[in-house]
Amino acid sequence: NAGVTQTPKFQVLKTGQSMTLQCAQDMNHNSMYWYRQDPGMGLRLIYYSASEGTTDKGEVPNGYNVSRLNKREFSLRLESAAPSQTSVYFCASRTTGDYGYTFGSGTRLTVV
Amino acid sequence: AQSVTQLDSQVPVFEEAPVELRCNYSSSVSVYLFWYVQYPNQGLQLLLKYLSGSTLVKGINGFEAEFNKSQTSFHLRKPSVHISDTAEYFCAVVISGTYKYIFGTGTRLKVLA
Repeated sequence: NAGVTQTPKFQVLKTGQSMTLQCAQDMNHNSMYWYRQDPGMGLRLIYYSASEGTTDKGEVPNGYNVSRLNKREFSLRLESAAPSQTSVYFCASRTTGDYGYTFGSGTRLTVV
Repeated sequence: AQSVTQLDSQVPVFEEAPVELRCNYSSSVSVYLFWYVQYPNQGLQLLLKYLSGSTLVKGINGFEAEFNKSQTSFHLRKPSVHISDTAEYFCAVVISGTYKYIFGTGTRLKVLA
């Protein structure tokens, strides 16, 4: 049972480039989330999808877009990367009625 | 507005010593409380949670936490730490009736030999 799988694990982008971070879960969870983690700031919610077919903005959505492709997959897209988006990105999921998250292992993104 | 405060950004402790990681929260409504652990280069893993019932909650790896409503605290404790407990620990609250998480800024526990 893989849980939550994120790809890639590492990425370096130049300012202005675009990329998509992939996330897939095999636990039949309804809700999926994208967080970014920055030193001294904890985790901040970028976007979430409460169920297949819905997406909503979180605390820091600017510069990002998401797609809930199906129940398993939730992708995060950076259309024009900026150095301020250098961070570690985590995808998480949970099932209905359970408050606990299952996290992926993260994508470390550097924008130069 | 709700908030979570982890006062200690780093806690060094010798192996086999006890440890307490502090977490205080501010909320005018009921909350659920969580501790997550993040080992180096990994994602966060749920350590324990308090939803209701007994205020002393036991989690994985010998950790426990006590919910203190009057002091709005949810401190994490372990009576004897191991080198393998070296990690970052995050406290979080969820507002009852919602799924909105608020994470603390984390405490780095470093266990020394």
